[in-house]
Amino acid sequence: DAEITQSPRHKITETGRQVTLACHQTWNHNNMFWYRQDLGHGLRLIHYSYGVQDTNKGEVSDGYSVSRSNTEDLPLTLESAASSQTSVYFCASSEPGQGALEQFFGPGTRLTVL
Amino acid sequence: RKEVEQDPGPFNVPEGATVAFNCTYSNSASQSFFWYRQDCRKEPKLLMSVYSSGNEDGRFTAQLNRASQYISLLIRDSKLSDSATYLCVVNGASGSARQLTFGSGTQLTVLP
Repeated sequence: DAEITQSPRHKITETGRQVTLACHQTWNHNNMFWYRQDLGHGLRLIHYSYGVQDTNKGEVSDGYSVSRSNTEDLPLTLESAASSQTSVYFCASSEPGQGALEQFFGPGTRLTVL
Repeated sequence: RKEVEQDPGPFNVPEGATVAFNCTYSNSASQSFFWYRQDCRKEPKLLMSVYSSGNEDGRFTAQLNRASQYISLLIRDSKLSDSATYLCVVNGASGSARQLTFGSGTQLTVLP
């Protein structure tokens, strides 16, 4: 069965370190998204990609970067981790279309920055 | 004003009760509307899409009022397994038709 996976599932790191969160999907979806979820804010879009070599900034992109070298993967990098980036991170993917279609989410990564 | 607003709850209802959640959105150009369900410490999953004419899926009924920019979800005969957070989701709220904007969610607890 097609799926979307994230790794690691839990990560503790220190302020200032570079951290990369992996996202891999086997749906063969062109659209991929990274969100963070914090209490009281719901899901907020960090970065998104509509295909290979395409990346775009979302609502809360400062301090994060992504790259899309193939259809299956969209790794999220925190260049210099800050305590404000402690959160739960979700990756999602969807089929391309004229409008917004259902997004399928990975299980999430809980990141703690000390 | 938030792009998608929901009453955060929590809603605590007995089994068998009927409960309704409401949601308002700010972008009148939005065309796609969804309700997602999120269990504690899990990822969001699509519950149902919301169509202009309203739609029903078993015990769940979704309604859309474009004039008032308002979406609702009705759950009849609540089950313990319905306990979760329900997210109202709209496209185009952030200016891009292909992006989804999520409400903060309404927490439901169904009590035995």
